[in-house]
Amino acid sequence: QQQVKQSPQSLIVQKGGIPIINCAYENTAFDYFPWYQQFPGKGPALLIAIRPDVSEKKEGRFTISFNKSAKQFSLHIMDSQPGDSATYFCAASTSGTYKYIFGTGTRLKVLA
Amino acid sequence: GAVVSQHPSWVICKSGTSVKIECRSLDFQATTMFWYRQFPKQSLMLMATSNEGSKATYEQGVEKDKFLINHASLTLSTLTVTSAHPEDSSFYICSAREAGFIPEAFFGQGTRLTVV
Repeated sequence: QQQVKQSPQSLIVQKGGIPIINCAYENTAFDYFPWYQQFPGKGPALLIAIRPDVSEKKEGRFTISFNKSAKQFSLHIMDSQPGDSATYFCAASTSGTYKYIFGTGTRLKVLA
Repeated sequence: GAVVSQHPSWVICKSGTSVKIECRSLDFQATTMFWYRQFPKQSLMLMATSNEGSKATYEQGVEKDKFLINHASLTLSTLTVTSAHPEDSSFYICSAREAGFIPEAFFGQGTRLTVV
């Protein structure tokens, strides 16, 4: 119940494409859902986050779509660029502990 | 976003020795810090939660005596890998969050530990 399932494991898109990464959870107590970007040998960097009272949030080229009833959320990257090639992790946490449960990660490659 | 600095970025040590990794919040006070371990091409696994002035809370399966965590101030937490062995080689990452009902956590750049 504490797991966050992430798919796909890897993704290749052409420059300008819109990669979509999906995550699903079971624990309805989760109330904060961030997405992180990680480059090799670096720590994760916060991209965007959403709470369950909002169905969509957009920041720059990154959009989170949230479906509370389905317990799913996804990351869309608009106009993807080769510099977006990285590993993306979704996560979920609950108020109180604020411990993050991470998804398994998606390795994205954007071809020039 | 807030800045979390981790030191060292990489370290090589001999089997049987201890290694200390520092995690500092540079521009905010971190009441809670988290320590993660990440194996190559895998996700981040939470090892322990560190609260300033109190004992760390370890996740199931993490050896408390092997991974000593100290959070002595609002800006500094340390992870000491004691009597390190090659199987402890990994990427260790800390994160920190401010006090209050702010869920955002900011991550350090990670420490690559290699035990030879």
